[in-house]
Amino acid sequence: RKEVEQDPGPFNVPEGATVAFNCTYSNSASQSFFWYRQDCRKEPKLLMSVYSSGNEDGRFTAQLNRASQYISLLIRDSKLSDSATYLCVVNIRVGSGNTGKLIFGQGTTLQVKP
Amino acid sequence: EAQVTQNPRYLITVTGKKLTVTCSQNMNHEYMSWYRQDPGLGLRQIYYSMNVEVTDKGDVPEGYKVSRKEKRNFPLILESPSPNQTSLYFCASSPSRDTVAKNIQYFGAGTRLSVL
Repeated sequence: RKEVEQDPGPFNVPEGATVAFNCTYSNSASQSFFWYRQDCRKEPKLLMSVYSSGNEDGRFTAQLNRASQYISLLIRDSKLSDSATYLCVVNIRVGSGNTGKLIFGQGTTLQVKP
Repeated sequence: EAQVTQNPRYLITVTGKKLTVTCSQNMNHEYMSWYRQDPGLGLRQIYYSMNVEVTDKGDVPEGYKVSRKEKRNFPLILESPSPNQTSLYFCASSPSRDTVAKNIQYFGAGTRLSVL
């Protein structure tokens, strides 16, 4: 079983739609969580961190459920420019101290159509 | 401009011919890392470095070497490339090991390698 799992999609939605992605993780030592965005054949870029209480950044809302070990990303009022692959990323503590290791999901592809 | 620079961006080579992919960052970051990205598998860590002369294996280190002789550079070396190393490679850096936990990683633009 993969440590971080995402539905690869693709999700094809019309402009203006609301779309949600889920991600599950298996390692209970996971300590921090993030969503990255990756455009076709380009480098990943941090979209937002995910906090236990949930957090919002404009049209994007991220939530974390530690008990069920899943993370979600909600995109409201989808734009054509939101078309990309969204990577779920989990940081796992390695040893003592704050040293962490990043585990990437395989990504969920979103295609927003006019 | 703060950035992570990888070279070359594209490379086609043949099995067994040694190659080096360079990575350089101008942000004085301590932590640097190499990933490979393959369809259906996501990004997987090859090697990482906490600081100069300190390197460690990631999840898929076989067939790769790295060195960290100076802070800004972290080259990835394939001594004898094989077709299963055909992939998209990313270098990344962070200001310090602690910020890996905070996920403040800056990625290079990627190197697409094909081994025939």
